[in-house]
Amino acid sequence: ETGVTQSPTHLIKTRGQQVTLRCSSQSGHNTVSWYQQALGQGPQFIFQYYREEENGRGNFPPRFSGLQFPNYSSELNVNALELDDSALYLCASSLDPRGIQETQYFGPGTRLLVL
Amino acid sequence: KNEVEQSPQNLTAQEGEFITINCSYSVGISALHWLQQHPGGGIVSLFMLSSGKKKHGRLIATINIQEKHSSLHITASHPRDSAVYICAVRGITSGTYKYIFGTGTRLKVLA
Repeated sequence: ETGVTQSPTHLIKTRGQQVTLRCSSQSGHNTVSWYQQALGQGPQFIFQYYREEENGRGNFPPRFSGLQFPNYSSELNVNALELDDSALYLCASSLDPRGIQETQYFGPGTRLLVL
Repeated sequence: KNEVEQSPQNLTAQEGEFITINCSYSVGISALHWLQQHPGGGIVSLFMLSSGKKKHGRLIATINIQEKHSSLHITASHPRDSAVYICAVRGITSGTYKYIFGTGTRLKVLA
């Protein structure tokens, strides 16, 4: 089975621009969660998608949006980038968000730098 | 105050030492995860707990639901264990699941 992959690995943008980050879930997983990890901090939950629908959201503004496709791959879109958006963005896939025994499998992350 | 607190924040140990990392949380949860993050960002899920104790190799994780506390133990530590260890809880708010992470414990094991 394939693991979780993310692209690109690194990205540099300027303030005000828009960015799209991509995630391919582990084979057979229908749930994807996105996290933002600032330097020296723990990951912060952005949102989760289950079967192409948003299934939960953290404290992030609407300029953070997402999509999940029928093949369960996913995108994170961030509009009007701000300097504080510079972080490592992680996605994690899992089989069923309702399951007590849910385990998440993390991708390697995309490191975004906003100048 | 963070909803998930870890201690210590930084830990340096000599090879072979027994290590304990603690996690306390203040919210209702359905599960608790222990994660390992190496330099460069990749995260590996070590354990998912909802009760009791789990063991995998030299790693042991315990959780006390009543006390809202979990510990991760590493026996016979090795330099390759050097990483950031993160505790994350899965809680339910307004009918949807939310994941809350601790800030991590940075472990360095010296040879």
